[in-house]
Amino acid sequence: SYELTQSLSVSVALGQTARITCGGNNIGSKNVYWYQQKPGQAPVLVIYRDTKRPSGIPERFSGSNSGNTATLTISRAQAGDEADYYCQVWDSSTVVFGGGTKLTVL
Amino acid sequence: EVQLVESGGGLVQPGRSLRLSCAASGFTFSDYSMNWVRQAPGKGLEWVSYIGSSSSTIYYADSVKGRFTISRDNAKNSLYLQMNSLRDEDTAVYYCARQGVAFDIWGQGTMVTVSS
Repeated sequence: SYELTQSLSVSVALGQTARITCGGNNIGSKNVYWYQQKPGQAPVLVIYRDTKRPSGIPERFSGSNSGNTATLTISRAQAGDEADYYCQVWDSSTVVFGGGTKLTVL
Repeated sequence: EVQLVESGGGLVQPGRSLRLSCAASGFTFSDYSMNWVRQAPGKGLEWVSYIGSSSSTIYYADSVKGRFTISRDNAKNSLYLQMNSLRDEDTAVYYCARQGVAFDIWGQGTMVTVSS
């Protein structure tokens, strides 16, 4: 079965750029989706089809996907960006989530 | 307002059954595929099941195949998850999620606790 690998945690200084990666075999050939989840809340879609932002998501959030790694980039990180972030793909007839990355804004 | 509201969670003994519901509002429910996603306490997201807009296509995660059944009633704008032979490891918050461009709308979740 297909697996997605995420770092357990990433730290970023306030106002700096955070990069959260999602590794998978030839993930560049798949559409990658990213979700933000704050404590006690449901996930929120922040990036779809590798690079697209839903309405209401700040331009500070961007995505890329190539080779074996997809990346969620958060520019000018804010305290409100502290959350768990999950990548997701479809593999055949199943949905696969990465294990999640906890983003800490220092 | 586009909204999904889950219900039906609770405490259940291992081996017993439970039926979850998800009520949709604010959009044309019959136009969208739907999913169930769960999250065990302190753990990550785990996809459970998918159903197409007309119920003609259904998928399950291996962990629930043969025990859980997803269904929908487009006339009632509702999604369901029948969970049988429940195990301790099924303990989780269960979310329904609309399949738009992605899982673009999520409910607030309903907690299922499997314990004797």
